[in-house]
Amino acid sequence: AQSVTQLGSHVSVSEGALVLLRCNYSSSVPPYLFWYVQYPNQGLQLLLKYTSAATLVKGINGFEAEFKKSETSFHLTKPSAHMSDAAEYFCAVSEASGTYKYIFGTGTRLKVLA
Amino acid sequence: GAVVSQHPSWVICKSGTSVKIECRSLDFQATTMFWYRQFPKQSLMLMATSNEGSKATYEQGVEKDKFLINHASLTLSTLTVTSAHPEDSSFYICSAATSGSTGELFFGEGSRLTVL
Repeated sequence: AQSVTQLGSHVSVSEGALVLLRCNYSSSVPPYLFWYVQYPNQGLQLLLKYTSAATLVKGINGFEAEFKKSETSFHLTKPSAHMSDAAEYFCAVSEASGTYKYIFGTGTRLKVLA
Repeated sequence: GAVVSQHPSWVICKSGTSVKIECRSLDFQATTMFWYRQFPKQSLMLMATSNEGSKATYEQGVEKDKFLINHASLTLSTLTVTSAHPEDSSFYICSAATSGSTGELFFGEGSRLTVL
């Protein structure tokens, strides 16, 4: 069975500060891991994905995440927050066999303070 | 990139009526589509997996007679909420996968259903 835990349902950072959104996963098989962003009343947009290639994954809008198998983590970071980063962020895991059956975390709402 | 479109984006209906939501893959063929439900300020819960030309597979606890899913073509899946009630009000999101996309799903914009 797979599961995802996102620590912190709400995170606030100042504009220009480091963004760190935490995601820990549990999977009995090699996982694929994803971070998605959701703006109000919109669908999900893929930020980045880990699919067993490089452990440090770079995504859109300056975000990146590092897959750490020993820590079962896939934390999302961005060096400098921008006001437009304020949104809901979801971490998701699926089986590397490509079943496409995602398990989503509960989400982290990022607030960026001016 | 792969685009998935949902229609309508917003729908308001009276209790007891049925509502159909369409999910289309615009520039690729999707043999499998997924339907999710999202309650306010909560995560996405997988409702069912829709396979082209066959019956949908529903997750535990999802009423298949309430939420009818049809995947009649490689580019279209529909979700029909039958005899809708206020508790069915929610944000419904579909997703689809392309072949060889290394596990990545592409999501529609979502459809907000409000049942009065």
